[in-house]
Amino acid sequence: EADIYQTPRYLVIGTGKKITLECSQTMGHDKMYWYQQDPGMELHLIHYSYGVNSTEKGDLSSESTVSRIRTEHFPLTLESARPSHTSQYLCASGTGGLYEQYFGPGTRLTVT
Amino acid sequence: GENVEQHPSTLSVQEGDSAVIKCTYSDSASNYFPWYKQELGKGPQLIIDIRSNVGEKKDQRIAVTLNKTAKHFSLHITETQPEDSAVYFCAAPNQAGTALIFGKGTTLSVSS
Repeated sequence: EADIYQTPRYLVIGTGKKITLECSQTMGHDKMYWYQQDPGMELHLIHYSYGVNSTEKGDLSSESTVSRIRTEHFPLTLESARPSHTSQYLCASGTGGLYEQYFGPGTRLTVT
Repeated sequence: GENVEQHPSTLSVQEGDSAVIKCTYSDSASNYFPWYKQELGKGPQLIIDIRSNVGEKKDQRIAVTLNKTAKHFSLHITETQPEDSAVYFCAAPNQAGTALIFGKGTTLSVSS
């Protein structure tokens, strides 16, 4: 089981602000993912990474960007937050080729 | 196109009864089928998974069955307990094998 951490857990921020959601894992997993989820609803993949300096967009279009400079760290950035960005953001990691994904606790973002 | 259909969307059972959640997938090449449990305010947790070379896998009170011909797989929970109440998600790999596609979730309520 992976140890995967997300900060902050909850964030309320005004429109137009720049925010970065942090995600770190301690298991040395190559693959990391960001999902967007409205409460109790399905998960939508917005970004993924297969390793350092590798990032790809997911199935759901997102105005966010990601970076993968270190294996254990996969931050997500919104340059200018809008109310439509209000959602829960889940980070996950997994080992190569096996598909298992282990999720962090999530960040609940509210943009006012 | 790629799709994972999950039914039912809500399920209410009495403590001690069995619960069954079913998912169908569209990509016949899919070979990995996980189930996740998400409790309120937490990230999804992998509870059981199955690969295409087996038809059934069991872990204590939970089991997953796979019918590759019909392209469906099911989660079975026996002797349900109130702590089984949560949202359950099935998933399958996308056609490119780069990520998981999740079902829309089933809210299971177990009443004592």
